[in-house]
Amino acid sequence: KNQVEQSPQSLIILEGKNCTLQCNYTVSPFSNLRWYKQDTGRGPVSLTIMTFSENTKSNGRYTATLDADTKQSSLHITASQLSDSASYICVVSDQTGANNLFFGTGTRLTVIP
Amino acid sequence: DAGVIQSPRHEVTEMGQEVTLRCKPISGHNSLFWYRQTMMRGLELLIYFNNNVPIDDSGMPEDRFSAKMPNASFSTLKIQPSEPRDSAVYFCASSGGRRGYYEQYFGPGTRLTVT
Repeated sequence: KNQVEQSPQSLIILEGKNCTLQCNYTVSPFSNLRWYKQDTGRGPVSLTIMTFSENTKSNGRYTATLDADTKQSSLHITASQLSDSASYICVVSDQTGANNLFFGTGTRLTVIP
Repeated sequence: DAGVIQSPRHEVTEMGQEVTLRCKPISGHNSLFWYRQTMMRGLELLIYFNNNVPIDDSGMPEDRFSAKMPNASFSTLKIQPSEPRDSAVYFCASSGGRRGYYEQYFGPGTRLTVT
């Protein structure tokens, strides 16, 4: 069964600290993996997208990694800011003709001063 | 660039009433998606249109839900009759190409409360 699981469910960190969010998937055949940031009361916004051949992709203080062999991805946030408080959602697309999308339930990050 | 526009932003209705949610995608985008988001289940894809044609409606929960896209700049999601378990945030998103390959741009969502 195609699934996407994220951990932890929630996380609280001090401003300025780093953190890493995890995404494990069983989707096959794999096409790409995206990380979205969703601020409270807003729609998700894409942070990164990685295909099978990409191991790392950065977007400012956000760095995503992908290990297609172990089917794991992580999102690392460096020098966190209060504005990083949001939900982070991992989405995996398969390579079937339908290009189905599989969503994780997200990690809720709270950055405190 | 106005982005994806959704209306209304908030809707409160009584059980049994008809609810219509509206979406205007980004101009030039040819794919449109309707999602539902709840705390328990996260984001769920309800239906996906490409070039105004429904491609995948397997996520539509039941016959009470229907969606239309009469032209490239407008789509509706209708719930009739509504039930309390339909309470959720409904997002519309659009993209410049096929699902899975192109970045999706989400609207601000409609928060639906059915009492």
